Amino acid sequence: SQKIEQNSEALNIQEGKTATLTCNYTNYSPAYLQWYRQDPGRGPVFLLLIRENEKEKRKERLKVTFDTTLKQSLFHITASQPADSATYLCALGNAGNMLTFGGGTRLMVKP
Amino acid sequence: DTAVSQTPKYLVTQMGNDKSIKCEQNLGHDTMYWYKQDSKKFLKIMFSYNNKELIINETVPNRFSPKSPDKAHLNLHINSLELGDSAVYFCASSQPGLHYGYTFGSGTRLTVV
Repeated sequence: SQKIEQNSEALNIQEGKTATLTCNYTNYSPAYLQWYRQDPGRGPVFLLLIRENEKEKRKERLKVTFDTTLKQSLFHITASQPADSATYLCALGNAGNMLTFGGGTRLMVKP
Repeated sequence: DTAVSQTPKYLVTQMGNDKSIKCEQNLGHDTMYWYKQDSKKFLKIMFSYNNKELIINETVPNRFSPKSPDKAHLNLHINSLELGDSAVYFCASSQPGLHYGYTFGSGTRLTVV
């Protein structure tokens, strides 16, 4: 069955450092991958989308990579700030299909 | 203006009751969804619906049914509520295709006692 794995343990980093979150998947050939941010008591907020034929996508301090051979996506936040503390979710999809989400990784950025 | 709004935000009810959660989007999106987020924070798709097609996740009990009076609304009706239905339910919407992220509502926390 399809499986999407994100590190369930919280990632703690110091302000100013680069945070790197990992999303691995098995038994799936997604056409695209998305990353979302979720704050406590709120719905997920869309951040970035990357397609299977793209290796890297950037948006301000965010960078996403997508390696379909390794079946892995990395999500980077450079110059991290305490306001970046949240849970980050990756989600995979195919044409005509609904998004399937990973369990999320909680990021804590300490001042 | 809220893009995707859900009501109520909190819902506490007894086992066996029937309840509905309402969702409205003002984004003009063609497709709406219902997701369930359990205590372990996994978001699981329940339904996808546009004006042409309803896609149901086969694991969803038939006590759950989506109802769409028009393109901007997708309500979730739940019959004979069970303790295991307690979760946060999120409505979302998107345009069709591979280019768009989903816009989520703020969620409805359902507690069945």
